[in-house]
Amino acid sequence: GAGVSQSPSNKVTEKGKDVELRCDPISGHTALYWYRQRLGQGLEFLIYFQGNSAPDKSGLPSDRFSAERTGESVSTLTIQRTQQEDSAVYLCASSLLAGGTEQFFGPGTRLTVL
Amino acid sequence: AQSVTQLDSQVPVFEEAPVELRCNYSSSVSVYLFWYVQYPNQGLQLLLKYLSGSTLVKGINGFEAEFNKSQTSFHLRKPSVHISDTAEYFCAAQPPGNTPLVFGKGTRLSVIA
Repeated sequence: GAGVSQSPSNKVTEKGKDVELRCDPISGHTALYWYRQRLGQGLEFLIYFQGNSAPDKSGLPSDRFSAERTGESVSTLTIQRTQQEDSAVYLCASSLLAGGTEQFFGPGTRLTVL
Repeated sequence: AQSVTQLDSQVPVFEEAPVELRCNYSSSVSVYLFWYVQYPNQGLQLLLKYLSGSTLVKGINGFEAEFNKSQTSFHLRKPSVHISDTAEYFCAAQPPGNTPLVFGKGTRLSVIA
């Protein structure tokens, strides 16, 4: 009965390094979302997976960002050649069905790029 | 494009006083509306949602919100706040279908003893 989990909870990296963030959705949830929360800002949509459909990547800010999801399980968000403006809290959410049902959020990964 | 505006970035209020957090959305199509709360160092938790039907929606922890289509608003209210209500509150909209949420920038509610 666990909720959405994310790891690591905190990540400090140097500019130019690659980072990988992990999200474990609630079992059985078909939809998985990645959002970014920069200081003083709302949540920005990054990418969305729905079942076996092609992911909606329209929110990814650059080609340095990519994400994968295997079936309806774990997802990883990868940021290559990190920049200081990538510093943010990265939040993952999952839902049973898209369109009006509750999205359950994980605690987030706080990424700091030095 | 869909957008959500939260008019107040910070709202200080004394304990047991009423509070209203304002939210306006812009959309040319019908949307679902949500309020989420984020307590310090925690993830987002759903307070309430409006999908259709009655325009007054009741949520957890004594919060309620009213959908006003003519004013494109979905303001959040509580008649008497507690210290434990201190948190960041986010309004969000979602067009029907397989779409992600569009969030406002958040309102930080600070309840003063």
